[in-house]
Amino acid sequence: KAGVTQTPRYLIKTRGQQVTLSCSPISGHRSVSWYQQTPGQGLQFLFEYFSETQRNKGNFPGRFSGRQFSNSRSEMNVSTLELGDSALYLCASSLLLNNEQFFGPGTRLTVL
Amino acid sequence: AQSVTQLDSQVPVFEEAPVELRCNYSSSVSVYLFWYVQYPNQGLQLLLKYLSGSTLVKGINGFEAEFNKSQTSFHLRKPSVHISDTAEYFCAVRLDTGRRALTFGSGTRLQVQP
Repeated sequence: KAGVTQTPRYLIKTRGQQVTLSCSPISGHRSVSWYQQTPGQGLQFLFEYFSETQRNKGNFPGRFSGRQFSNSRSEMNVSTLELGDSALYLCASSLLLNNEQFFGPGTRLTVL
Repeated sequence: AQSVTQLDSQVPVFEEAPVELRCNYSSSVSVYLFWYVQYPNQGLQLLLKYLSGSTLVKGINGFEAEFNKSQTSFHLRKPSVHISDTAEYFCAVRLDTGRRALTFGSGTRLQVQP
């Protein structure tokens, strides 16, 4: 069974731009969570989706948004990028809410 | 709100020596506990988890952890480390009710030296 895939793996953007990251969960998994990892703040929860509905949201500004499609694939969007948004963005999928989460390799976003 | 403290940011150890990575948590309600490992340029891999039952939990790659409720700790141990265990290790908690997102510690970098 294929693992969680994230595209692209690396991304370079400039301040003020917007970016969309994609996550394909393990086949059959219906829940997708997103985390941001930075050297300064560590791993922080962004949001969680299940059955196309956002079920949980972390403490991030409204510039960070996401959605989940009917096939459970998820995207997250960051608008008006800031230098501080440079991070590794990790996606994790689970069979249902509250099950074990399996992480993808992440998308490394660099904002110049 | 819950929090996780990993007391050591870096732990150097020689190959074949034992190691303990410390984790303490704070929560007003019951939690589930996890240890994840992250190799360079990779995502997180679950090493082991404590949901209920026996307080001694065995995981992959020879790691184990013990849940101590009175000390609110969940330390990770391995009796003999290998060079390949060099990685970043994260302790995480999740509430068993309500908001269930993972809260991570700041990580411990395990450096195994030959």
